[in-house]
Amino acid sequence: DIQMTQSPSSLSASVGDRVTITCRASQSIDSYLNWYQQKPGKAPKLLIYATSSLQSGVPSRFSGSGSGTDFTLTISSLQPEDFATYYCQQSYSTRTFGQGTKVEIK
Amino acid sequence: QVQLVESGGGLVKPGGSLRLSCAASGFTFSDYYMSWIRQAPGKGLEWVSYISTSGSYTSYADSVKGRFTISRDNTKNSLYLQMNSLRAEDTAVYYCAREVSTWFDPWGQGTLVTVSS
Repeated sequence: DIQMTQSPSSLSASVGDRVTITCRASQSIDSYLNWYQQKPGKAPKLLIYATSSLQSGVPSRFSGSGSGTDFTLTISSLQPEDFATYYCQQSYSTRTFGQGTKVEIK
Repeated sequence: QVQLVESGGGLVKPGGSLRLSCAASGFTFSDYYMSWIRQAPGKGLEWVSYISTSGSYTSYADSVKGRFTISRDNTKNSLYLQMNSLRAEDTAVYYCAREVSTWFDPWGQGTLVTVSS
């Protein structure tokens, strides 16, 4: 099975900061990597699909990049509504999620 | 609008069974793979199972293989998860999600399953 490892597990940041979250796959997954945002008590929401495609309605401050085994989610200027937990997910072989990265207010 | 609504969660004793349902609306249900994904309290997301458009192909996480069965009824726009031999570690919020190509969108609001004596 393909394992997904996110780093960091949590981070503290201020409004306006640039934030980068990394996701590493245990083997190559081409570009089959998606990102989700989850707020407390809510279902996850799709942010980025196929590594770098922005889901409709998602602000352009979110971006994704990478290929093979290493991927990143970047928030260019953190906004108050971005404080949440972010998950990567691979769909190259069945489906696996990373363990999540909690973005907290500094 | 596209909507998924789960039901059927509740409290069940270890070794017991439960059947979850997911009612879909706002899209052509039979055109999409569907998945179940769960989240234990305070933990991350765990993919559980998916089913093909016709229901002829299914896949399961190792943690539920042999105990859970995914199915669908395209005439009723509904997805199901039959859960048998439930364990304490199956306690979680269970989400259904539509698979668009190879990503999940949207997700339902979730239904809580608690396995406890």
